[in-house]
Amino acid sequence: KQEVTQIPAALSVPEGENLVLNCSFTDSAIYNLQWFRQDPGKGLTSLLLIQSSQREQTSGRLNASLDKSSGRSTLYIAASQPGDSATYLCAARTSGSRLTFGEGTQLTVNP
Amino acid sequence: KAGVTQTPRYLIKTRGQQVTLSCSPISGHRSVSWYQQTPGQGLQFLFEYFSETQRNKGNFPGRFSGRQFSNSRSEMNVSTLELGDSALYLCASSFTSGERNEQFFGPGTRLTVL
Repeated sequence: KQEVTQIPAALSVPEGENLVLNCSFTDSAIYNLQWFRQDPGKGLTSLLLIQSSQREQTSGRLNASLDKSSGRSTLYIAASQPGDSATYLCAARTSGSRLTFGEGTQLTVNP
Repeated sequence: KAGVTQTPRYLIKTRGQQVTLSCSPISGHRSVSWYQQTPGQGLQFLFEYFSETQRNKGNFPGRFSGRQFSNSRSEMNVSTLELGDSALYLCASSFTSGERNEQFFGPGTRLTVL
């Protein structure tokens, strides 16, 4: 059974700081790993998807890496802004379209 | 291109009632999945439908059911509601089951059971 863990559970940083969010998964037989952002009371916004054959993906100030052998993924956010404040979730896909989610990292970027 | 839509957005029911939630996927997407999100359990997979067939099912009681129509729209039904069913119910759609298979989520339906 796939289990996904995210560290830290919460993070508070000053504006402009670069930061790394961590995600680990127990079953390395994944199809892909997807990072999402969730604002309070809202749905999930897809940020990046890394296929199992890829090592990293970049979109703007975001960079996500994947190391299947060690069961880890990281989301790097450069030059953080107050608008980046949200909960960040990683999810591993192991069958069909079924995603197993971590519990999320709640990020606060202070002006 | 319109995103995933879910109706209703908010719902208040009492214990013992039943409820039906609706999800319209992105045009062209054939896979629809449902998730329950609660503060204590996080995001948990309910079930997935692909081309009108249930392909995957999570570990939820039989009170939770779903279906998909020929236009890929999906509904989920919860019968005999319990207080613990209060949650944000999220629907996700994707184009294919291949490796790429990026999931796109709707805004959710907030269900409150009194």
